[in-house]
Amino acid sequence: TAGITQAPTSQILAAGRSMTLRCTQDMRHNAMYWYRQDLGLGLRLIHYSNTAGTTGKGEVPDGYSVSRANTDDFPLTLASAVPSQTSVYFCASSDSMGGPGELFFGEGSRLTVL
Amino acid sequence: GQNIDQPTEMTATEGAIVQINCTYQTSGFNGLFWYQQHAGEAPTFLSYNVLDGLEEKGRFSSFLSRSKGYSYLLLKELQMKDSASYLCAVRDSNYQLIWGAGTKLIIKP
Repeated sequence: TAGITQAPTSQILAAGRSMTLRCTQDMRHNAMYWYRQDLGLGLRLIHYSNTAGTTGKGEVPDGYSVSRANTDDFPLTLASAVPSQTSVYFCASSDSMGGPGELFFGEGSRLTVL
Repeated sequence: GQNIDQPTEMTATEGAIVQINCTYQTSGFNGLFWYQQHAGEAPTFLSYNVLDGLEEKGRFSSFLSRSKGYSYLLLKELQMKDSASYLCAVRDSNYQLIWGAGTKLIIKP
């Protein structure tokens, strides 16, 4: 069972370059999320999607964009990377945004912007 | 603002019991979650509380007091594999999860 697959696992990127982090789930979950995790801080929500065709902004959306063309895929794009975007990025999904539905996380993508 | 507080780090002995506390101040409340995260890995779900009281699941239990804005995760019969970070998260009135910074638990033999 794959669950959630993220790619790449790690990447070093020059400042100013663009980058797309890929996320695919095979659980047919409606809701998907992108978080960043930085040392000493809690997971911070970048963007989310309640269902295919809809997206919403989280706590720290600036500099990032997402799309949800279908149920399975939820890519995160950095249009012009800056060093403050160096972080570990986690994609997650859940059956719905309410109720006891737990989040299932991908293994993370470690991004370094130089 | 919304805030989740948990201790940064705790140390415990193999075979013992440890309690990890979490206090929260959020805009509304729609459930509290605990996740476990081993170093370099993804968080994995441990427990969910939406009503006051204790939820027990094997060696792990989670307690919630909504009036006090307080939860704890209790780990019994500690094993070396329990060395990890434990993340507390609260779902607010907009159904968004607010995350604490996590408690790094170190288990010593």
